[in-house]
Amino acid sequence: GNSVTQMEGPVTLSEEAFLTINCTYTATGYPSLFWYVQYPGEGLQLLLKATKADDKGSNKGFEATYRKETTSFHLEKGSVQVSDSAVYFCALRAGAGSYQLTFGKGTKLSVIP
Amino acid sequence: DTAVSQTPKYLVTQMGNDKSIKCEQNLGHDTMYWYKQDSKKFLKIMFSYNNKELIINETVPNRFSPKSPDKAHLNLHINSLELGDSAVYFCASSQVGGSGKADTQYFGPGTRLTVL
Repeated sequence: GNSVTQMEGPVTLSEEAFLTINCTYTATGYPSLFWYVQYPGEGLQLLLKATKADDKGSNKGFEATYRKETTSFHLEKGSVQVSDSAVYFCALRAGAGSYQLTFGKGTKLSVIP
Repeated sequence: DTAVSQTPKYLVTQMGNDKSIKCEQNLGHDTMYWYKQDSKKFLKIMFSYNNKELIINETVPNRFSPKSPDKAHLNLHINSLELGDSAVYFCASSQVGGSGKADTQYFGPGTRLTVL
């Protein structure tokens, strides 16, 4: 079956530090990959996505590259801000004809001034 | 102009009661979903409807019954609530269309259900 594994949190960084949150996946076919972010007390928001190998998704300074050879989709940001404090979820949707998202367990990020 | 809305935002109730959570989307999407997020933040799909037809029905107790009166609404009814039902329930929607290729899912703000 499909599964997503992401690094366990919580992750605590100082403002302007470099962020990496690792995500690897197992899927049949050619999945689409997503990063969602959940700010405290809110629902999930799409942060970025990639639909095929070697695609790079980017948004708000965050980036992730779809690596088929390593089945990975690591999230990176060069300089985090306090406002980036949230829970980050890696997710996949299997190939055509698949509706549901399979989520990782989430990684809580806290950025301190 | 909320894209995906849920009511209520908070729901506190006694064990054994029956309750409903409502979801509406104004994005014109044809597919809607219910997810459950447990206390450890783990998200799991429960149900999905495409054009009012049930397409995903994961292993959840049959006390949970989704109902989709039209493409823009997907409600979740829960009978005989139990302590373990306490969680945050998220509604989401996406556009699938004729190609069968699902687009990005948009999530509602969540309903925090507490069963006492």
